[in-house]
Amino acid sequence: QKEVEQNSGPLSVPEGAIASLNCTYSDRGSQSFFWYRQYSGKSPELIMSIYSNGDKEDGRFTAQLNKASQYVSLLIRDSQPSDSATYLCAGAGQNFVFGPGTRLSVLP
Amino acid sequence: DVKVTQSSRYLVKRTGEKVFLECVQDMDHENMFWYRQDPGLGLRLIYFSYDVKMKEKGDIPEGYSVSREKKERFSLILESASTNQTSMYLCASSPGSGTGSRTPLHFGNGTRLTVT
Repeated sequence: QKEVEQNSGPLSVPEGAIASLNCTYSDRGSQSFFWYRQYSGKSPELIMSIYSNGDKEDGRFTAQLNKASQYVSLLIRDSQPSDSATYLCAGAGQNFVFGPGTRLSVLP
Repeated sequence: DVKVTQSSRYLVKRTGEKVFLECVQDMDHENMFWYRQDPGLGLRLIYFSYDVKMKEKGDIPEGYSVSREKKERFSLILESASTNQTSMYLCASSPGSGTGSRTPLHFGNGTRLTVT
């Protein structure tokens, strides 16, 4: 069974802090990784894609990929209350596999 | 921007009814997917399609069927709705053909289906 694992949380951080979300995957054939943000009652929204080892930055978001360790992370700098949501990690190889999501709460 | 449109945001149906959930994408994507999402169970793949008139079973196809007569439209059919099919249903699409696509999925707004 190919799996993507995430800590379900909730992860609570104060406003302005860095939120660090982590994800591990079991399928070494996974080539692409994605982070989605999902607000309560809404559909997942793509926020980051990462395809190669290293860091990828987009505004306040940085995705990190380490294929040797089968590890993906998402850092959110200067966290805002509007970042409070569930963050889904997904890996794509032969198939798309989603993690269960980490609930992030940014406290004002 | 990719637009994936699901025909209904909220739907209430009775047990035993045949239910159609419609999904249309406007970006000429080859790949389309139907998921359901339930608290504590995450996203579960029901069916997917990599081409017109082509369909593949996902992880939980029982009680569902699909139709893809046109590239832009992917319909999910509940043959005889049951209360355990009460859920949020999410349609998604992505470009690229076949398996092993490196491109992300783009989701519709979801349909919250209640079966009473």
